Amino acid sequence: TQLLEQSPQFLSIQEGENLTVYCNSSSVFSSLQWYRQEPGEGPVLLVTVVTGGEVKKLKRLTFQFGDARKDSSLHITAAQPGDTGLYLCAGAGGNKLVFGAGTILRVKS
Amino acid sequence: DAGVIQSPRHEVTEMGQEVTLRCKPISGHDYLFWYRQTMMRGLELLIYFNNNVPIDDSGMPEDRFSAKMPNASFSTLKIQPSEPRDSAVYFCASSPSPGHGRVYGYTFGSGTRLTVV
Repeated sequence: TQLLEQSPQFLSIQEGENLTVYCNSSSVFSSLQWYRQEPGEGPVLLVTVVTGGEVKKLKRLTFQFGDARKDSSLHITAAQPGDTGLYLCAGAGGNKLVFGAGTILRVKS
Repeated sequence: DAGVIQSPRHEVTEMGQEVTLRCKPISGHDYLFWYRQTMMRGLELLIYFNNNVPIDDSGMPEDRFSAKMPNASFSTLKIQPSEPRDSAVYFCASSPSPGHGRVYGYTFGSGTRLTVV
């Protein structure tokens, strides 16, 4: 069974601070995706990383896939209250995704 | 496209009753997934279909759960009889088939919040 562990589970920070969320596994994934989920809604795809060592930027968000394709990180620069939500990483194994437990981020103004 | 459409948004039912959740995937998406989300267990894959055919139902917790996809635009997840421990948010998601060298993400519906009392 492929498992993804996310850390931290919960993060509460002030507006303007930087943060990093981690996603780790002992398994190799063909690709890894990050989603953001707001209360009462389904997860929304942020990014897909495919190549080991790949770095993708989405405005203030930077995503990195580990060289061995077993881990990933999400870094947010100058967090805003609008970044508040549940961040989920998901590893692709075959045609299905395995999700981590998520990191709840709260950005206070 | 209106996205993945799920109904109802909320369902409250008594233990022992039958519950049917519905999903309309995005047109043209070949894959449909049913997930369950709880605080304790996070997002769990229950079952997924490819071209209307169930491919992997290993996540279906018990025989009380069943899912069908009679055509490309409709799927149901049924629980009969329902139990309080089935209370959760149930999500449907769809995606295109993986292309050559390209991986697609899932598009999720807004979910059905099920409460069994």
